[in-house]
Amino acid sequence: GENVEQHPSTLSVQEGDSAVIKCTYSDSASNYFPWYKQELGKRPQLIIDIRSNVGEKKDQRIAVTLNKTAKHFSLHITETQPEDSAVYFCAASTPDMRFGAGTRLTVKP
Amino acid sequence: GAVVSQHPSWVICKSGTSVKIECRSLDFQATTMFWYRQFPKQSLMLMATSNEGSKATYEQGVEKDKFLINHASLTLSTLTVTSAHPEDSSFYICSALQGYTEAFFGQGTRLTVV
Repeated sequence: GENVEQHPSTLSVQEGDSAVIKCTYSDSASNYFPWYKQELGKRPQLIIDIRSNVGEKKDQRIAVTLNKTAKHFSLHITETQPEDSAVYFCAASTPDMRFGAGTRLTVKP
Repeated sequence: GAVVSQHPSWVICKSGTSVKIECRSLDFQATTMFWYRQFPKQSLMLMATSNEGSKATYEQGVEKDKFLINHASLTLSTLTVTSAHPEDSSFYICSALQGYTEAFFGQGTRLTVV
């Protein structure tokens, strides 16, 4: 079955810096890759997603890139703000969704 | 990290029958559990939020009489799909939360109604 690995498990950046979270997947049949943001104590919420026929997608300060050949995809957050501090989960859908272990991002003011 | 066990991982049932899916937090007490449904080629759709000892809060458009949620203990929440129909076939996944912490996902359940 699909195996999704996510790195790093924790990430601390200064406000204004960029943050990058990387995920790899094992099943080449995966065709949909969402990213979820979970603020502590709240439910995970979708922030951006990408499909296998697209290499990059951007939405304001966040972007996701997908390399199908290498089977990895990444989340990029630019100009980070304290409110970006949260746990971020990547997932790959084959179609059943499998999640990475999560990355706890801390943005220091 | 913490472990959330969801059972069964897959189930096939006949149309008209009911199916129960369990979500257990194995090493922590989950005060809140979320139930999601994933439609083909789409992201997760939140169905309901369950808090231990109280009624679940259902999202708009989710039939509470069809998708019964019981969060009877701090380690177990169940989702029962009643009178299942083929259109209920989907991937269901739970996520558990212990207070002001990060959420943990179950492995998901693939339900097929024939």
